[in-house]
Amino acid sequence: EVQLVESGGGLIQPGGSLRLSCAASGFSVTNKYMTWVRQAPGKGLEWVSVIYDTGNTDYADSVKGRFTISRDTSKNTLYLQMNSLRGDDSATYYCARGIYCSSVGCYHGSSWAIDSWGQGTLVTVSS
Amino acid sequence: SYVLTQPPSVSVAPGKTARITCGGDNIAIKSVHWYQQKPGQAPVLVISYDSERPSGIPARFSGSNSGNTATLSISRVEAGDEADYYCHVWDGMSAHVVFGGGTKLIVL
Repeated sequence: EVQLVESGGGLIQPGGSLRLSCAASGFSVTNKYMTWVRQAPGKGLEWVSVIYDTGNTDYADSVKGRFTISRDTSKNTLYLQMNSLRGDDSATYYCARGIYCSSVGCYHGSSWAIDSWGQGTLVTVSS
Repeated sequence: SYVLTQPPSVSVAPGKTARITCGGDNIAIKSVHWYQQKPGQAPVLVISYDSERPSGIPARFSGSNSGNTATLSISRVEAGDEADYYCHVWDGMSAHVVFGGGTKLIVL
């Protein structure tokens, strides 16, 4: 059974740093696309970052240069290092797994869906 | 950047068919994925690659994609279908994931 469990959220002052963790089980984070999606209170979903099975990474413009996504194969864990935090970074952060194959083919390097989500961890940036 | 437009809310009577749209420029050439999110819960994938249902998703959920609009259809709507629904595409130009703003399905 696929399971994703986030941790590391909390209250942090503006300008501070926080590292989120996501422990995965039932599959290897190395072999899949792994992503972070956030949701501000009462708002919609916002994609944050992805690390591909190749190890390449990508970021939303709103976090590029401040956030870093990484993974630890030995711990089967995904991370999100968040620096220079701002009030508009306050949100529930979801760890999730991406899939790039449909019933008719695979689309590595292009379209991918999110088939498993963690329960989320809340980050509040406030003084 | 690519923009996906969803209606803020859709209302439907129990037993009827709900249709939730997701508009985007020539969206038909992209693969659209749909998620259901109930209050206090993480999203759940209900349709991938325009029209594929993941294991465990009822056949009442279906998807289509044509022209500038993708549509999530829910037939024989039940009270338990009341939730927020989000569409998602991958924008090849930016190599970024894009979500629609979400649609609240209200079951009357």
